[in-house]
Amino acid sequence: DVKVTQSSRYLVKRTGEKVFLECVQDMDHENMFWYRQDPGLGLRLIYFSYDVKMKEKGDIPEGYSVSREKKERFSLILESASTNQTSMYLCASSSRTRASEQFFGPGTRLTVL
Amino acid sequence: GNSVTQMEGPVTLSEEAFLTINCTYTATGYPSLFWYVQYPGEGLQLLLKATKADDKGSNKGFEATYRKETTSFHLEKGSVQVSDSAVYFCALLSNTGNQFYFGTGTSLTVIP
Repeated sequence: DVKVTQSSRYLVKRTGEKVFLECVQDMDHENMFWYRQDPGLGLRLIYFSYDVKMKEKGDIPEGYSVSREKKERFSLILESASTNQTSMYLCASSSRTRASEQFFGPGTRLTVL
Repeated sequence: GNSVTQMEGPVTLSEEAFLTINCTYTATGYPSLFWYVQYPGEGLQLLLKATKADDKGSNKGFEATYRKETTSFHLEKGSVQVSDSAVYFCALLSNTGNQFYFGTGTSLTVIP
């Protein structure tokens, strides 16, 4: 069974704090993704990565950065959290040979006060 | 560009009712199409998919047919159950195979 885990289910931070969201997958997948999910907007891609140390901007990268130092781990970083980054964050992974099958983590609900 | 439009929710149905959730897409080339389901408190799970025109994806009693002429991929189920209550997302995978595009999601509640 593919498992994608995220470091926290719920997180509360203050405006201006630096926030790290961690995602780990155990199936040796090359591709990893970070989305945010907001009511009425669905899922929007923030960043993705095809390999270690590689990253690509998605549709809404502003205010975020990422890190992929190991194949199994993909971190999303909010350099200075703002209230408009309050959202549900979903991590996903897929293999290069079966890119059509994305596996999602349970999500992290982040609240920025 | 690529985009997915799905019907607004929320949708509330009685058990054993017929379900349709509409989904249309805009894409360059020939994308693959998907329905994902998100149960309360969980991440998204793949429900079904279709990779080319006229393909029908099916799983757990749900079906969707890839209609190129109408650029649609409507989700249907003949008889819903309370356990089908969830949020359903239509999605496409671009023909470069790199990026998914998701609809806004449709919340379904099935009442006994």
